[in-house]
Amino acid sequence: AQSVSQHNHHVILSEAASLELGCNYSYGGTVNLFWYVQYPGQHLQLLLKYFSGDPLVKGIKGFEAEFIKSKFSFNLRKPSVQWSDTAEYFCAVIANDYKLSFGAGTTVTVRA
Amino acid sequence: NAGVTQTPKFQVLKTGQSMTLQCAQDMNHEYMSWYRQDPGMGLRLIHYSVGAGITDQGEVPNGYNVSRSTTEDFPLRLLSAAPSQTSVYFCASSYGAGSEQFFGPGTRLTVL
Repeated sequence: AQSVSQHNHHVILSEAASLELGCNYSYGGTVNLFWYVQYPGQHLQLLLKYFSGDPLVKGIKGFEAEFIKSKFSFNLRKPSVQWSDTAEYFCAVIANDYKLSFGAGTTVTVRA
Repeated sequence: NAGVTQTPKFQVLKTGQSMTLQCAQDMNHEYMSWYRQDPGMGLRLIHYSVGAGITDQGEVPNGYNVSRSTTEDFPLRLLSAAPSQTSVYFCASSYGAGSEQFFGPGTRLTVL
């Protein structure tokens, strides 16, 4: 099975700052890529996904991610964060083995 | 649509007890899966199913059983609970294995 690495365990930002969360995966074949978000006390929701086509994908709430195949990366970005973006963010990858693998997660705290 | 539902929300067990975590979805999804979420480890796949009558092991299957007699239901059985199984358990479903997964609200399990 593939492995997924998220570079930051905890990120603390001020409102209006830019956010970038790193994600790398190990599988060399075709993959589907996801970013999920878990707000405090809630279950996971999809932020965005990449299956094929334009490597720059846009998701909900102003988030975007760029797939760079040569670097096995799928980094998440948001130009200007809000207090409501405080949450845990998970990168996930699925290949042709039907097993979705998650990274360890990054906790993002946005200070007002 | 109710989406993905899980019961119970909370459960406390003693070591050695058995129990079943229930999961149901009303979206006619073929793919269903169970994850456990532990701090600093993200979500880890326990078991998954690509359709009624078909199940397979994920990353951490030991101590858990599943069955998929209908498209809607995918119960997870703990055979003999151990303190290491203290975790938050999420059920998810999707149209296909590589598609966006929809998560249930989770079951917080404590094994004493």
